[in-house]
Amino acid sequence: GESVGLHLPTLSVQEGDNSIINCAYSNSASDYFIWYKQESGKGPQFIIDIRSNMDKRQGQRVTVLLNKTVKHLSLQIAATQPGDSAVYFCAENLLTGGGNKLTFGTGTQLKVEL
Amino acid sequence: ETGVTQSPTHLIKTRGQQVTLRCSSQSGHNTVSWYQQALGQGPQFIFQYYREEENGRGNFPPRFSGLQFPNYSSELNVNALELDDSALYLCASSVGGQGKGEQFFGPGTRLTVL
Repeated sequence: GESVGLHLPTLSVQEGDNSIINCAYSNSASDYFIWYKQESGKGPQFIIDIRSNMDKRQGQRVTVLLNKTVKHLSLQIAATQPGDSAVYFCAENLLTGGGNKLTFGTGTQLKVEL
Repeated sequence: ETGVTQSPTHLIKTRGQQVTLRCSSQSGHNTVSWYQQALGQGPQFIFQYYREEENGRGNFPPRFSGLQFPNYSSELNVNALELDDSALYLCASSVGGQGKGEQFFGPGTRLTVL
């Protein structure tokens, strides 16, 4: 299958531990931010998003934190499971007259060790 | 599964050839965005089609062109293929005209240029 993680930063965690994946974004005008999960051979899958006027948003086992002062985004995964192993991308979304354009970060490979 | 399908799954071409990739959007979605994902990198925005018209374009040369049909399916055409065009090509469908426009990705087409 396809591997998109050959040159990506890697985060290794033990099963059951919490994972924190970080992302720096560039455009202060971005309207909202999204975290995607990409498994080998598949397209990106939506995890959670957060609007630019929020600081924190929680989902099922995931929390996204947004710090606009330093243009930093993080994804926290609680009780990490083997099925969480994938490449994680943050993306900025800018709503313009030309539609929604997603700008993706480099990505982080998450490896869950048993 | 997002309901977004792409064909073919894999394709091998030689330099200078032309290629057409296809995408069927999720039911009810009228917007299709195309992204190029090189190995080990995040997806890069190529362009977006909304109601059969180009609605935003990234930093890609004119030899990358597209179409959207009345049923909102879409094609990506690349002329005069170069080795650097080897990548995973992703399409994402969404509902245009709304503030959020969450994008749902297909599995991608892996293009190899020899």
